[in-house]
Amino acid sequence: AQKVTQAQTEISVVEKEDVTLDCVYETRDTTYYLFWYKQPPSGELVFLIRRNSFDEQNEISGRYSWNFQKSTSSFNFTITASQVVDSAVYFCALSGATTGNQFYFGTGTSLTVIP
Amino acid sequence: KAGVTQTPRYLIKTRGQQVTLSCSPISGHRSVSWYQQTPGQGLQFLFEYFSETQRNKGNFPGRFSGRQFSNSRSEMNVSTLELGDSALYLCASSPLAGSSYNEQFFGPGTRLTVL
Repeated sequence: AQKVTQAQTEISVVEKEDVTLDCVYETRDTTYYLFWYKQPPSGELVFLIRRNSFDEQNEISGRYSWNFQKSTSSFNFTITASQVVDSAVYFCALSGATTGNQFYFGTGTSLTVIP
Repeated sequence: KAGVTQTPRYLIKTRGQQVTLSCSPISGHRSVSWYQQTPGQGLQFLFEYFSETQRNKGNFPGRFSGRQFSNSRSEMNVSTLELGDSALYLCASSPLAGSSYNEQFFGPGTRLTVL
């Protein structure tokens, strides 16, 4: 079974603080892919990153960074020096080699950045 | 390149009616997936279409159906609407089918309200 858990329902930070969004996943597939999406108030899901199960290298893109650890089945997302524009709901998602384009989403973390 | 478009953006229906939602994928994308997003259940996979064939189906009743046309545009239909069908319906397109490597590109969604 595929499952994604985002235990943090809501997070509030003050602008310029760093914030980490947690994502824990479960899968029986040995080949799988992890994703993060951002959903601003407009509703459209915006793709942020994709990671495959064979690549545990951390990735940094500007103020965003991702930490993938297979040993703990986690794929955490950190925003450095948060800005008001980062306020959104963030979703972690999983797809497995056996499930093709079917994504399993976590319940999302609502991030509010206070100016 | 134009993104995924969904029409209509907002829809209000009453119980017992039926509704048809439309999705036009990114040009060249042949896979279209549909998701239902509600506050209680989060994002749930409805079905995926590729080359006019349904490839995968989520755990939804038969009242939810879909189809894909030769130009890859897709429609989903919900018959005998229930109050619980009120949700944001998101369409996602992907270049290929059955490949979990591909990120999915989401449209802005159709907000359906059932009264």
